[in-house]
Amino acid sequence: AQSVTQPDIHITVSEGASLELRCNYSYGATPYLFWYVQSPGQGLQLLLKYFSGDTLVQGIKGFEAEFKRSQSSFNLRKPSVHWSDAAEYFCAVAPGYNAGNMLTFGGGTRLMVKP
Amino acid sequence: DTEVTQTPKHLVMGMTNKKSLKCEQHMGHRAMYWYKQKAKKPPELMFVYSYEKLSINESVPSRFSPECPNSSLLNLHLHALQPEDSALYLCASSQEAQSSGANVLTFGAGSRLTVL
Repeated sequence: AQSVTQPDIHITVSEGASLELRCNYSYGATPYLFWYVQSPGQGLQLLLKYFSGDTLVQGIKGFEAEFKRSQSSFNLRKPSVHWSDAAEYFCAVAPGYNAGNMLTFGGGTRLMVKP
Repeated sequence: DTEVTQTPKHLVMGMTNKKSLKCEQHMGHRAMYWYKQKAKKPPELMFVYSYEKLSINESVPSRFSPECPNSSLLNLHLHALQPEDSALYLCASSQEAQSSGANVLTFGAGSRLTVL
């Protein structure tokens, strides 16, 4: 079975600073990888996804993520954080053959942004 | 329309009440999902409907009863809940439950349930 680890429970960055949120996965083959963002009391919004091809994927709101097979990682990055980026971020993995109903989430990373 | 709409946004109920959560999507998606999310935790899958048929039940207690009246609607009927069932209940949909590739989940904003 697949699993996802987000090592950082909380991260605080200053507005305008760069951001990197870590995600490590465990899966026997090439997984499908996702990053979702959740604002307080809200549902989850898809930031970006990786299925195949270019290992650097661009998403919405200026986010990008890089798939590194050798490190089993899919870290999320943003060059300059805005106060509105404060939220909970979830990395998720699904097996390629059945992406929808086998989605496994990491524990989440809460991002706080200092003015 | 690229949204999943959930009602009500907030629900408070007693342990003897019967209530329902509703979810609607008009994206033509044929798979719909219920997730439960406790505070500061990731979402946990409860049920999956594929083409209006229940395809996955993740060992959810019978006090939660899902229903899919048609391809656009998904309900979650609640009866005799416990205080520990208090959580954010998220509905999601995707093009199909069994396909790969572009099968991305679109989530609703959730229904915040409090059981007294």
